[in-house]
Amino acid sequence: NAGVTQTPKFQVLKTGQSMTLQCAQDMNHEYMSWYRQDPGMGLRLIHYSVGAGITDQGEVPNGYNVSRSTTEDFPLRLLSAAPSQTSVYFCASSFLGGEAFFGQGTRLTVV
Amino acid sequence: EDQVTQSPEALRLQEGESSSLNCSYTVSGLRGLFWYRQDPGKGPEFLFTLYSAGEEKEKERLKATLTKKESFLHITAPKPEDSATYLCAVQATTGNQFYFGTGTSLTVIP
Repeated sequence: NAGVTQTPKFQVLKTGQSMTLQCAQDMNHEYMSWYRQDPGMGLRLIHYSVGAGITDQGEVPNGYNVSRSTTEDFPLRLLSAAPSQTSVYFCASSFLGGEAFFGQGTRLTVV
Repeated sequence: EDQVTQSPEALRLQEGESSSLNCSYTVSGLRGLFWYRQDPGKGPEFLFTLYSAGEEKEKERLKATLTKKESFLHITAPKPEDSATYLCAVQATTGNQFYFGTGTSLTVIP
């Protein structure tokens, strides 16, 4: 099993550029989520989904969009990158009520 | 508001020196409390889930316990390979989100 796969692992963007972070899971999990991790602030929830076609905002959703057209995929879109979005991004998936499994992360730098 | 606070922020231990990490939580109704290990440059790796006060789980040198207000991760006779950041998270019965603490960075010195 591949588990949770995130791409790319590293990315540098210029301010104002847009991009999509990819996340795929092969465990048939209903729940998928995106977090950002910044020093001293822990993991903060950006968006989450409880199933295909259903998404909702987390703690820090501004500047990000998501969609969930299939159970397996949950891409995160940065609409117009800003330096404040420099961070490490993690995708996670779980069965509802179960432990979360995380991808390896995407380290994003916005210059 | 659901909250998780971990202490200490950082902990340095000599190899073999046992200690405990604390996770205090406030949640409307606890569905589960989760412990994760995170190595530098990697995603968090699941360790334990605890569901009710009094529950304990063990794995090698790690033992997690749960009360109504806090959880402890006890590390017995740690080795350098136990060095990592340990994260605690709670999930409330009212939703599916996980609320994470900021973690404890553990360094075990040979």
